[in-house]
Amino acid sequence: SYDLTQPPSVSVSPGQTASIPCSGDKLGDTYARWYQQKPGQSPVLVIYQDTRRPSGIPERFSGSKSGNTATLTISGTQAMDEADYYCQALDISTYVAFGGGTRLTVL
Amino acid sequence: QVQLVESGGGVIQPGRSLRLSCAASGFTLSNYGIHWVRQAPGKGLEWVALTSFDDIKKYYVASVKGRFTISRDNRKNTVYLQMNSLKPEDTAVYYCAKDSYPTGTDSRGAFDVWGQGTVVTVSS
Repeated sequence: SYDLTQPPSVSVSPGQTASIPCSGDKLGDTYARWYQQKPGQSPVLVIYQDTRRPSGIPERFSGSKSGNTATLTISGTQAMDEADYYCQALDISTYVAFGGGTRLTVL
Repeated sequence: QVQLVESGGGVIQPGRSLRLSCAASGFTLSNYGIHWVRQAPGKGLEWVALTSFDDIKKYYVASVKGRFTISRDNRKNTVYLQMNSLKPEDTAVYYCAKDSYPTGTDSRGAFDVWGQGTVVTVSS
């Protein structure tokens, strides 16, 4: 199986910057995607092709990648950003892989 | 608006079968790959299956291969997931999701539209 590793939890104060990393040994060879899931809701795409933001996603959400680690960054974090965040990538052997998810808490 | 609506979930005994449906509206289903993704209670997202835009290429996670079958009827704007020999570990919310590319295997794509999910509980 293809493993994408995320920290289980990240905490941030309102107005500060939150960074959520995602590492995988082949992530440097493919694009990373990021999804936000709030309790009781379906996931929502927030970043694709490592850095691109779909229409309707606030500018405070950004993505980057260095080597085999992709990072989702939320600048000026708001209480409404509290959610689970999942990275995702394609893999030739497993086709689609999700990271284990990161619970973002806005304290 | 662009929408996916799942149906067909329920409580089912181990070993039995269930068919989920995913009805698409607001876009041309035949232009896109469609995935099924599940989420067990309190757990993360797990990709389950993919059908390409033309229903020719199909892919499955190892744990459901040989038990689940994904298919689509583009004339009816619907994608299906036939689940046989169900196990308790198949208990989850099942989501269908639209890929932004036809094959579903292009890394430039992403799951840009998700349904609301349907709950499957496998229990005796």
